[in-house]
Amino acid sequence: EIVLTQSPATLSLSPGERATLSCRASQSVRSYLAWYQQKPGQAPRLLMYDASNRATGIPARFSGSGSGTDFTLTISSLEPEDFAVYYCQHRSNWPLTFGGGTMVEIK
Amino acid sequence: EVQLLESGGGLVQPGGSLRLSCAASGFTFSTYGMTWVRQAPGKGLEWVSSIRSSGGDTFYADSVNGRFTISRDSSKNNVYLQMNSLRPEDTAVYYCARVILGYWYFDVWGRGTLVTVSS
Repeated sequence: EIVLTQSPATLSLSPGERATLSCRASQSVRSYLAWYQQKPGQAPRLLMYDASNRATGIPARFSGSGSGTDFTLTISSLEPEDFAVYYCQHRSNWPLTFGGGTMVEIK
Repeated sequence: EVQLLESGGGLVQPGGSLRLSCAASGFTFSTYGMTWVRQAPGKGLEWVSSIRSSGGDTFYADSVNGRFTISRDSSKNNVYLQMNSLRPEDTAVYYCARVILGYWYFDVWGRGTLVTVSS
């Protein structure tokens, strides 16, 4: 099973600041990694797939990069609605797994 | 509107069974793989099970393999999760999600149904 480790666990930032979230895989997942956003009481929302492709309707301030074992989700300038928990997920092999999440909170 | 609606959650005793249903609408159900993902209270997301569009291939997390069974009925636009031998650690919100065509990522999610396993 591929383990995805997200860091930091919590990121405290102000609106307008840049957020950089990390996801590290225990073995290579090539570019087969997605990012999701989840707000309290809501289902997750797909943001990025295959590391760097934005899902439908996702604003350009979200970008993803990486391949192999190290991936990054960047939010260029935080909007109030971006404060949430973010998860990564791989599709490299079975079983699929999610990372433990990074909470982006208002500083 | 593309929509997924889960049902069937509730309180069940350890060792009991429950069947979750997910009704799909607004898209051609038969062409999409489907997935169940769960989230224990206050915890992160855990992939549970997936099924291909054809229904011919199914996949399970180790934690549920042998106890849970995913299935689909394309005539009813439904996907199911039969859960047997339930344990307290199966307590979670169970989400149904659609698989993006050609990828095992999830682009449409239901609102979830809560399963509580407790005596």
